[in-house]
Amino acid sequence: KAGVTQTPRYLIKTRGQQVTLSCSPISGHRSVSWYQQTPGQGLQFLFEYFSETQRNKGNFPGRFSGRQFSNSRSEMNVSTLELGDSALYLCASSTRTVAEGTEAFFGQGTRLTVV
Amino acid sequence: EDKVVQSPLSLVVHEGDTVTLNCSYEVTNFRSLLWYKQEKKAPTFLFMLTSSGIEKKSGRLSSILDKKELFSILNITATQTGDSAVYLCAVPAPGSARQLTFGSGTQLTVLP
Repeated sequence: KAGVTQTPRYLIKTRGQQVTLSCSPISGHRSVSWYQQTPGQGLQFLFEYFSETQRNKGNFPGRFSGRQFSNSRSEMNVSTLELGDSALYLCASSTRTVAEGTEAFFGQGTRLTVV
Repeated sequence: EDKVVQSPLSLVVHEGDTVTLNCSYEVTNFRSLLWYKQEKKAPTFLFMLTSSGIEKKSGRLSSILDKKELFSILNITATQTGDSAVYLCAVPAPGSARQLTFGSGTQLTVLP
C-alpha cells in the first residue's frame, strides 16, 4: 500500500513569489491535513480538507490556502512568500474519524526555502 | 487553548539503556493522545492511547496514559542507535479529531 506522497521534496523560492505544494494521500483516505514545521515553532496545524471541503483552519494568515480534489489529492498554496515561510511542510492523511480520533499518516514533506 | 508539553527536550543515552519520555497535556474534551517518531522527515505513528486503551506495547516500546494526572510516558527499553529520533506527542483538537496539537518533541540520541 503506497504511503502519503508529497511533491516536490525540495523547493527554493524568492520572497514575494508564490508556491504550490502537492499531497496524494493513502488510497482510500479522504482526509488530508497540512502542517508547518519550523525549529522555533515545532509542528503547527495549517488546515484540513475532507471530501473537498476545508473543515478546519489553523492560525495562519490568508496567504496560506489549499484545496482538495475529488480524488482526495490536495494542494497547498502560499502567496507573497516571506523569509519566515521557510519550513518543512508536512501533509497527513487519515481515514474516517471515530470518537477518540484516528492516527494520521505523514508524508516525507516538502522543504521550502525562501531567499 | 490546548497545550502539550514534552520533557526532556533532549536526551543522550548509550545503547542498552532504558529511557522514559514524558508528555503532559491540557485539553478540553480529551479524546486521545498520540505518539510519533520523527527520524528525518515524516513522523511515523507509534501509539494512540484513549480512555479505553491506556496502555500500549510494541516490542521494546511501551506507553501509558494517566488521565487523572494528564500525562503520558513513552518507555523504550534496551535502546539501539536506530532509536535515535525526535519523539512527538500530540492530542486532537476538541473540534476536530483530525487536527493535532503537537508538543515540541524530545530529541533522543543513542550512542553506540
